[in-house]
Amino acid sequence: AQTVTQSQPEMSVQEAETVTLSCTYDTSESDYYLFWYKQPPSRQMILVIRQEAYKQQNATENRFSVNFQKAAKSFSLKISDSQLGDAAMYFCAYRSMGSQGNLIFGKGTKLSVKP
Amino acid sequence: NAGVTQTPKFQVLKTGQSMTLQCAQDMNHEYMSWYRQDPGMGLRLIHYSVGAGITDQGEVPNGYNVSRSTTEDFPLRLLSAAPSQTSVYFCASSKEYGELFFGEGSRLTVL
Repeated sequence: AQTVTQSQPEMSVQEAETVTLSCTYDTSESDYYLFWYKQPPSRQMILVIRQEAYKQQNATENRFSVNFQKAAKSFSLKISDSQLGDAAMYFCAYRSMGSQGNLIFGKGTKLSVKP
Repeated sequence: NAGVTQTPKFQVLKTGQSMTLQCAQDMNHEYMSWYRQDPGMGLRLIHYSVGAGITDQGEVPNGYNVSRSTTEDFPLRLLSAAPSQTSVYFCASSKEYGELFFGEGSRLTVL
């Protein structure tokens, strides 16, 4: 079975600085999706970024980018120019290809942003 | 743009009571699922469905029932509520591939 590990329960960053959140996963599959979701205090789950495993290019969405290392099974999220609104729980998630692939979540990293 | 709609958003139950959490999506997604979120545990899958009439168990199915009579609706039933079911519940849907779209969550407290 696939597993997702986020080794940093809490992180802190100064406003305007850069922070990297770590995620590793375990799978025997070659094709899959990886995601980062943000959960602010409103508890809404918001998709931050997605990566298809067959794509070698790292995904980027504005200030958010990932470092996808398929061989190492690592999927870290980099937030540049951190803003107060980035403070939230961040969840890394894995999903197999195919209609019956369920999303498997890590336990989350709580990010604080200091003004 | 309704997306995924969950009701109620908050509920307090007594031990032994039953209730249904409603979930509806208007995106014509075949895949729907229910997760529960507990502190320090991330989100854990309760039940899921890949289409009308098809449901299956996830990681933590005990004490919950689901059914999928239409593409749009996927209710979650608590048969006899227990304090261990105090949690935040999320419904989610997706196309065959890709990311899940989540409802706003339902906070359930069982006394």
